[in-house]
Amino acid sequence: QKEVEQDPGPLSVPEGAIVSLNCTYSNSAFQYFMWYRQYSRKGPELLMYTYSSGNKEDGRFTAQVDKSSKYISLFIRDSQPSDSATYLCAMSGYDMRFGAGTRLTVKP
Amino acid sequence: NAGVTQTPKFRVLKTGQSMTLLCAQDMNHEYMYWYRQDPGMGLRLIHYSVGEGTTAKGEVPDGYNVSRLKKQNFLLGLESAAPSQTSVYFCASRLDRVIQETQYFGPGTRLLVL
Repeated sequence: QKEVEQDPGPLSVPEGAIVSLNCTYSNSAFQYFMWYRQYSRKGPELLMYTYSSGNKEDGRFTAQVDKSSKYISLFIRDSQPSDSATYLCAMSGYDMRFGAGTRLTVKP
Repeated sequence: NAGVTQTPKFRVLKTGQSMTLLCAQDMNHEYMYWYRQDPGMGLRLIHYSVGEGTTAKGEVPDGYNVSRLKKQNFLLGLESAAPSQTSVYFCASRLDRVIQETQYFGPGTRLLVL
């Protein structure tokens, strides 16, 4: 069993939709939880990170962490075609682990 | 300020050949990392360095060697390439592990081993 599980999709939504991306994990030692965005043929770039449980909002993006359920989410409001990318969850404690990524397409 | 750069962008190797991937960063970061990215597997850490002259093994180090002779450069070597090493390789750097700063990634090197 992988330490971090992420549905690879692909996920296709119309412009303006609310997008929900999720990851589950098994390692209780993870303390920091991150979401990276990766455009095609580019390196990942950090979108958001949170420490421990709770919510964090940044513009149209909201990250949620539920440590009791070992479940993290990224919500994108008013999705735009420019949000089309692969979204990677990542988490770290002593080591850092990445999910496999979910490919998102936002159609105009 | 170029950030993290990687050389080459793409390479084709035959089984058994050797090559070196170069990563350079101009942000004065202490920590540098080499990852490989494969479909369905996510990013997996190969080796990392916490400072000039130091290296350590990551999650999947076998078949790779690294060197950090200068703070700004981190080299990844394949001594005898195998088809299983076909992948996209990403370098990343980070300023301070304790504060859990963001990792900055390079654009990647696509490697095909025939």
